[in-house]
Amino acid sequence: QKEVEQDPGPLSVPEGAIVSLNCTYSNSAFQYFMWYRQYSRKGPELLMYTYSSGNKEDGRFTAQVDKSSKYISLFIRDSQPSDSATYLCAMIGGSNYNLTFGKGTLLTVNP
Amino acid sequence: NAGVTQTPKFQVLKTGQSMTLQCAQDMNHNSMYWYRQDPGMGLRLIYYSASEGTTDKGEVPNGYNVSRLNKREFSLRLESAAPSQTSVYFCASSPAVYEQYFGPGTRLTVT
Repeated sequence: QKEVEQDPGPLSVPEGAIVSLNCTYSNSAFQYFMWYRQYSRKGPELLMYTYSSGNKEDGRFTAQVDKSSKYISLFIRDSQPSDSATYLCAMIGGSNYNLTFGKGTLLTVNP
Repeated sequence: NAGVTQTPKFQVLKTGQSMTLQCAQDMNHNSMYWYRQDPGMGLRLIYYSASEGTTDKGEVPNGYNVSRLNKREFSLRLESAAPSQTSVYFCASSPAVYEQYFGPGTRLTVT
């Protein structure tokens, strides 16, 4: 079982939709949970991070972590065509000092 | 403030040729990383440097060498390129475990 599993999609939604992106993980030592956004032919950029369990909100974006289920989510409200990108989850913690990335989910928001 | 810069942006090599990918950051970060990104494989860590003067292997170090020239610069060398090293290479730097800043990437093709 891979440490981090992420559905690669692709996911296509109409403008204004609520988008839900998810990752599951197996390493219970992970403590920091990140979401990166990667536009086509660009480097990833950090969108949000959460420490331990709980929710974090930043504008139209909400990150949720459920450590009991080993499940993290990113919600995008009122999605825009400019949100079209690949979204990568990443995690770190325990004896692992480096980020473990999911493979990314390709999202397209259609106008 | 340029962030993380990488050179070259594109490169085509023949099997057996060598080359060095350059990376520099102007954010005074201690940690720097080299990743490769392949379709269906996600981001995989090649080498990292937690601080000036130290380097460590990541998940996929075979066929690569690195040099942390100073705090700003971290180079990746392919001594004898192979078609399996065709990929997009990203350099990143980090002020904290949960926060990495990525460069624009180098697209390498080995024929």
